Amino acid sequence: DVVLTQTPSILSATIGQSVSISCRSSQSLLDSDGNTYLYWFLQRPGQSPQRLIYLVSNLGSGVPNRFSGSGSGTDFTLKISGVEAEDLGVYYCMQATHAPWTFGGGTKLELK
Amino acid sequence: EVQLVESGGGLVQPGRSMKLSCAASGFTFSNYGMAWVRQAPTKGLEWVATISYDGSSTYYRDSVKGRFTISRDNAKSTLYLQMNSLRSEDTATYYCTSLGDPFAYWGQGTLVTVSS
Repeated sequence: DVVLTQTPSILSATIGQSVSISCRSSQSLLDSDGNTYLYWFLQRPGQSPQRLIYLVSNLGSGVPNRFSGSGSGTDFTLKISGVEAEDLGVYYCMQATHAPWTFGGGTKLELK
Repeated sequence: EVQLVESGGGLVQPGRSMKLSCAASGFTFSNYGMAWVRQAPTKGLEWVATISYDGSSTYYRDSVKGRFTISRDNAKSTLYLQMNSLRSEDTATYYCTSLGDPFAYWGQGTLVTVSS
């Protein structure tokens, strides 16, 4: 199975600070169809996951543009340019290139 | 507005069965694949199973193969997960998600607790 390693596991930030989360894959996530099926989600406390980014760098509908995704192959990054209070929660990366689909272990974003 | 509403969770004894449902609305259910994802208490997310738009193809994680069955009724816009031979490690909140706009929509989840 593809292992997704997220770092850091806990991220302390102040409001307005820019932060990044890394997601490293044990295998390339580039599919034979040319797409890279790498997604980012935010799960706020007590809520269902919310998709932020799809196909590495595409912003989901209704997602604020302070969120951005980048990367290729095995290394991917989610950046938040100016953390807001509503951004607190656990962030997950997920790959759907290889079966079984797998998630990273999560990064908890908390207020410093 | 897209809505996914799971139901059917609860407390069940080890070795017994339970069937989850996910009622979909706000989109053409029969056009899109669907998936179940679960989350054990205080743990991360874990993909469980996927079904194609017409039900002809299904996929499972190894730990549930042979015990869980994903199915759908397109006439009722409903997704199912039949879970047999339940184990304590199946205790989790189960979410359904659509694959039309992949993973953009999730239900609120239904909690399954496997315990004697």
